[in-house]
Amino acid sequence: QSVLTQPPSASGTPGQRVTISCSGSGSNIGSNTVNWYQQLPGTAPKLLMYSNNQRPSGVPDRFSGSKSGTSVSLAISGLQSEDEADYYCAAWDDSLDGWVFGGGTKLTVL
Amino acid sequence: QLVESGGGLVKPGGSLRLSCAASGFTFSTFTMNWVRQAPGKGLEWVSSISSRGNYIYYADSVKGRFTISRDNAKNSLFLQMNSLGAEDTAVYYCANQDLASGYGFDIWGQGTIITVSS
Repeated sequence: QSVLTQPPSASGTPGQRVTISCSGSGSNIGSNTVNWYQQLPGTAPKLLMYSNNQRPSGVPDRFSGSKSGTSVSLAISGLQSEDEADYYCAAWDDSLDGWVFGGGTKLTVL
Repeated sequence: QLVESGGGLVKPGGSLRLSCAASGFTFSTFTMNWVRQAPGKGLEWVSSISSRGNYIYYADSVKGRFTISRDNAKNSLFLQMNSLGAEDTAVYYCANQDLASGYGFDIWGQGTIITVSS
């Protein structure tokens, strides 16, 4: 059971907009910023979003992030086949003194 | 770039030491982490060590069994794993933690596989 809660799956057709949610508590998302990671099949994770809504260099602006209270969302607009991957949210947890990850959301592009 | 090594097959109760060689960035200025992923499962943070090694954190699942360390002179990160159990079977990644990226794990290694089985 992960400390951060994500839906196990999400899907959309090419060109659609999809959102992936991640909920936590006051000791993690409520107190700290959230990072998102994208893991393509068979590869190491890649930092996709940091500080809730900042994109690292090279990440398309189709990806956006938002935060409200103890929840965050990752939105992907103009969905493309290469976006099919697992997505993980992560935040520092002040009570656990460690990083916590969501269980991951498998995005399928139909 | 980060390159892990030291993975393999180990019997329950055994020990293993992982290494992570860093290049292309100033290793000594970054907090470093180990993250693992059990087969077919999600990511699990394992341990963090600050740039000078004076702040160390562990996940509850490995506390008392795993020890993280680093050698800044050799641009290397280590994870000593003792009392291994089947639940430790996973791909182990090392990753840096970049202040400029909101402490996100910016650079990841390719991972090294640990299998705990008799």
